[in-house]
Amino acid sequence: DIQMTQSPSSLSASVGDRVTITCQASQDISNYLNWYQQKPGKAPKLLIYDASNLETGVPSRFSGSGSGTDFTFTISSLQPEDIATYYCQQYDNLLLTFGPGTKVDIK
Amino acid sequence: QVQLQESGPGLVKPSETLSLTCAVSGYSINSGYYWGWIRQPPGKGLEWIGSVYHSGTTFYNPSLKSRVTISADTSKNQFSLKLSSVTAADTAVYYCARLRGGNPDDAFHIWGQGTMVTVSS
Repeated sequence: DIQMTQSPSSLSASVGDRVTITCQASQDISNYLNWYQQKPGKAPKLLIYDASNLETGVPSRFSGSGSGTDFTFTISSLQPEDIATYYCQQYDNLLLTFGPGTKVDIK
Repeated sequence: QVQLQESGPGLVKPSETLSLTCAVSGYSINSGYYWGWIRQPPGKGLEWIGSVYHSGTTFYNPSLKSRVTISADTSKNQFSLKLSSVTAADTAVYYCARLRGGNPDDAFHIWGQGTMVTVSS
């Protein structure tokens, strides 16, 4: 099975800061990597699909990059409404797995 | 717009079968897409359970495969989850969702609000 790791597990940043989260797969998954935002008590929301494609309606301050085993998710300018947990999710060989999540809050 | 709504018992006894339904509105499941179930234990991360196509084709998480059945009911425009022999470890919020592409492996781009299921006697 493909294992997903995320770092950091949590972070605190100031409004306007650039925030970066990394996700690593235990084997090559090409660009089969998605990113979600989950706010407390809510369902996850798809932000980025296929590693770097912005889902319709998602603000452009969110972006993703990477391929193979190493991926990066960036919030270019952190906003108060971005307080959430962010998950990566890989899909390879008909098995979907999520990373453990990164909790983002405001310093 | 497409909406998904989970329903089912909020409390299930250990060793029994958990049964949930996801009603789809704003889209006919006959028209395509894969539909899936994901769960999240309290305070923990997300786990994909499995996915179904309207034809009945299914894909399951190997870790749950022996206990899971997912089916689609096109006449009611809904799909269902059955998880047998539940234990306290199956206590979680259960989400239904639609996969964005026409493939069984992709991103979940439309989600239900989730339903909490507690396994307890």
